[in-house]
Amino acid sequence: QTVVTQEASFSVSPGGTVTLTCGLSSGSVSTAYCPSWYQQTPGQSPRTLIHSTDTRSSGVPVRFSGSILGNKAALTITGAQADDESVYFCALYMGSGIWVFGGGTKLTVL
Amino acid sequence: EVQLLESGGTLVQPGGSLRLSCAASGFTFSSHAMSWVRQAPEKGLEWVTIISARDETTHYADSVKGRFTISRDTSKNTLYLQMNSLRAEDTAVYYCAKHANWAFDFWGQGALVTVSS
Repeated sequence: QTVVTQEASFSVSPGGTVTLTCGLSSGSVSTAYCPSWYQQTPGQSPRTLIHSTDTRSSGVPVRFSGSILGNKAALTITGAQADDESVYFCALYMGSGIWVFGGGTKLTVL
Repeated sequence: EVQLLESGGTLVQPGGSLRLSCAASGFTFSSHAMSWVRQAPEKGLEWVTIISARDETTHYADSVKGRFTISRDTSKNTLYLQMNSLRAEDTAVYYCAKHANWAFDFWGQGALVTVSS
């Protein structure tokens, strides 16, 4: 069974840049997996940030960007702000109607 | 304004059944695939099931296959999740989510299901 991998935690300084990744336990992530990214703060529903690898959802600040880096999907936050402190999840479309989420990365801004 | 409002979450005994509902508004419900995604306490997101827009094709995660059934009533703009043979490990907040652009593009506020004796 394929597992979607994410860093458990990451830390960034205010104003800094951080790149979170989303990989596969076996194989490489490509645009064909339609990588998407979600932000979740405690007690809240997830918020969609990025779809189709690199397209920001409506209202998402430009400091959030998506890409493919090497064999993984990536979410980069450029100029991190205090309210970016959240858990970030990626999701991949595995085909045949099946979706899989990564385990999430807890981002600390300090 | 898109709104997804889940209901039906409650405490249920192991082996029991429960039906969740998700009332949709603010978009053309019949034109979008819909999913249920769950989140166990202090855990990550787990995709559970999806129903397509056009032909109502369904797919399920292995963890719920044969026990859960997704359905939709386009006349009521409502998505359902029938959950049977519930287990302790099904305890979670269940979110309904609208699909667009090959992603989950809008989420409800969630419904808590607790499976315990």
